[in-house]
Amino acid sequence: SAVISQKPSRDICQRGTSLTIQCQVDSQVTMMFWYRQQPGQSLTLIATANQGSEATYESGFVIDKFPISRPNLTFSTLTVSNLSPEDSSIYLCSVPGQAPLYSNQPQHFGDGTRLSIL
Amino acid sequence: GEDVEQSLFLSVREGDSSVINCTYTDSSSTYLYWYKQEPGAGLQLLTYIFSNMDMKQDQRLTVLLNKKDKHLSLRIADTQTGDSAIYFCAEREGGDYKLSFGAGTTVTVRA
Repeated sequence: SAVISQKPSRDICQRGTSLTIQCQVDSQVTMMFWYRQQPGQSLTLIATANQGSEATYESGFVIDKFPISRPNLTFSTLTVSNLSPEDSSIYLCSVPGQAPLYSNQPQHFGDGTRLSIL
Repeated sequence: GEDVEQSLFLSVREGDSSVINCTYTDSSSTYLYWYKQEPGAGLQLLTYIFSNMDMKQDQRLTVLLNKKDKHLSLRIADTQTGDSAIYFCAEREGGDYKLSFGAGTTVTVRA
């Protein structure tokens, strides 16, 4: 299965600042996903990041607030901009299995980034 | 949109079996997953089942899928204290890689 590394594992940020989260995968994947898990809640998909094209955002999430980069097939970043207390969550990166074109592989998640806003 | 529901809490005695239930509404779901999240940790994939299967067994884990009723369950045999965690049910629709998650079931194992 794919090995996913996320950085930072946790951070405490001031209101109004931004935090960029990195996700590194040990194999090439066409799709990478960013999820948010608010305190005590389930996971919600923020966006799908495809290499070579703009990210596709889910309803309720916009590029200005959550800009995403996908410079190559093994790396992506998610920035959470203009931080407010409501952004305190765990942010998780996810990839679909091992190979870029396999459609029947389960999705794997990184350990997440725990973000707290002061 | 997709809707996945789970009971929120389950308490089980050590050594007994745990059964976590999940229902979903999307009839085009192709893959269904169970993830485990321990305190302070990320999501660990436990097992998954294709929609053309009705059962999958993996050591202490048994997944049952009733596609007609859109019901998925996870049975953990001989539950141990290390099984205390939040368990998430998730579904994937067709060729789309996006997952829809349930709210998670908090399993507490008591001695």
